[in-house]
Amino acid sequence: LAKTTQPISMDSYEGQEVNITCSHNNIATNDYITWYQQFPSQGPRFIIQGYKTKVTNEVASLFIPADRKSSTLSLPRVSLSDTAVYYCLVGPESGNTPLVFGKGTRLSVIA
Amino acid sequence: DADVTQTPRNRITKTGKRIMLECSQTKGHDRMYWYRQDPGLGLRLIYYSFDVKDINKGEISDGYSVSRQAQAKFSLSLESAIPNQTALYFCATSDFPNYNEQFFGPGTRLTVL
Repeated sequence: LAKTTQPISMDSYEGQEVNITCSHNNIATNDYITWYQQFPSQGPRFIIQGYKTKVTNEVASLFIPADRKSSTLSLPRVSLSDTAVYYCLVGPESGNTPLVFGKGTRLSVIA
Repeated sequence: DADVTQTPRNRITKTGKRIMLECSQTKGHDRMYWYRQDPGLGLRLIYYSFDVKDINKGEISDGYSVSRQAQAKFSLSLESAIPNQTALYFCATSDFPNYNEQFFGPGTRLTVL
């Protein structure tokens, strides 16, 4: 599985757009990019997944450049409730090797 | 996610005791996973199961064993608990076609004294 690198922590004020970038230089052709969100003392929650270009849902947007060696999770107008750890993972949808959760990015939203 | 339940939610035990953590799911998913999380760290995979007859070790399986009693049930055992197994334990499930979308239980907070 491709290794991912993301910032350890980020701070943001309420109402701002937050962009968290993840590097995955060794991404394979059949790999997807998946992001999870984890609130304190809760299990992670799948928020978005993409293969290329842009994916948007009610929670976030995921931007993937043409070379797919990085991706950016974008959270629009964050609120205090978006304070969480965000994990970037890379792997095939139907593969036999489970995804690896790194340490993620700890996002702190400040009032 | 209420579809994935874990029991107990909290447990305090003593060094050397055998303890079992249980996970049940009503999602009908094939795959189930056990993770542990230590403060400030990400999740580390202990064991995973593709189906009832397929059990695989994760990155930190030493000191743990598992049993997939049925498609819906996946138990994690600590044969002889030690203090450094104090952690938050999560069970998760996933299914075809997207195994990357895992559904997590609420977690079990285990303290080994």
